[in-house]
Amino acid sequence: KAGVTQTPRYLIKTRGQQVTLSCSPISGHRSVSWYQQTPGQGLQFLFEYFSETQRNKGNFPGRFSGRQFSNSRSEMNVSTLELGDSALYLCASSARTDQGYTFGSGTRLTVV
Amino acid sequence: DAKTTQPPSMDCAEGRAANLPCNHSTISGNEYVYWYRQIHSQGPQYIIHGLKNNETNEMASLIITEDRKSSTLILPHATLRDTAVYYCIVRVGSPTGANSKLTFGKGITLSVRP
Repeated sequence: KAGVTQTPRYLIKTRGQQVTLSCSPISGHRSVSWYQQTPGQGLQFLFEYFSETQRNKGNFPGRFSGRQFSNSRSEMNVSTLELGDSALYLCASSARTDQGYTFGSGTRLTVV
Repeated sequence: DAKTTQPPSMDCAEGRAANLPCNHSTISGNEYVYWYRQIHSQGPQYIIHGLKNNETNEMASLIITEDRKSSTLILPHATLRDTAVYYCIVRVGSPTGANSKLTFGKGITLSVRP
C-alpha cells in the first residue's frame, strides 16, 4: 500500500514569506503528526491531529500552524519565515496511537 | 515520558549481530519502549516496540530487562543498509492528548563495516 506522501520534497523560500506543506497519510490512518528536524535541535514535535482536531502541540511559536481535513490529509503552514525555520519537516501517520508511526520522506525547506 | 540514554555511536561487522543498548531507568508501568531508525536524509522508520516481554519481528528483536530499566535492540545479521541512527523512545502504550507525541533524543549512530 502507498506510504505517507509529503509534497513538495524541496522548497526554497525568502525570509518573511509564508509556506504550506502537505501530507497525505496512509489510507485509513486518522492520526497525523508533524515534526521538525534540524542539525542543532534534532527531531522536535510540532503538533498532532486526530479526526480533524489538534490533539497535541509542541513548543513552537504561533507562526507554525496546521490543520487536518475530513480525508485525514494534513497541511502545515509557517508564516513570516525566518532563517532558523530551514529544516526537514516530517509527517507521520498512524492507524492506532498504540502502534508505530509511519513517516514520510519529508519536505526540505530552505529559507534564504 | 521517561527519559532514555543511549551511547552516541557503535559499530559492528557486516553479518554479525548488532546489539544496541538503551537505558530507561525512570520508565513507568504503562510506558512502552519503541525503537525507530533513521537512514540519512529519510524519515524515521518504526522498528519494534514492547512493554515487558521480549518481542521479535522480521526486522529485529527487542530484549527488555526484568526490571524494565533497560533494553537492547538486536539486529541479528547486520548489513551495510542497517547503517543509521537508532532512536529508543519511551511512551505510554495507548496515548491520547498530550502524551501522544514521540520525544526523540540524539539516538545511537550504528555504523556497519564491510
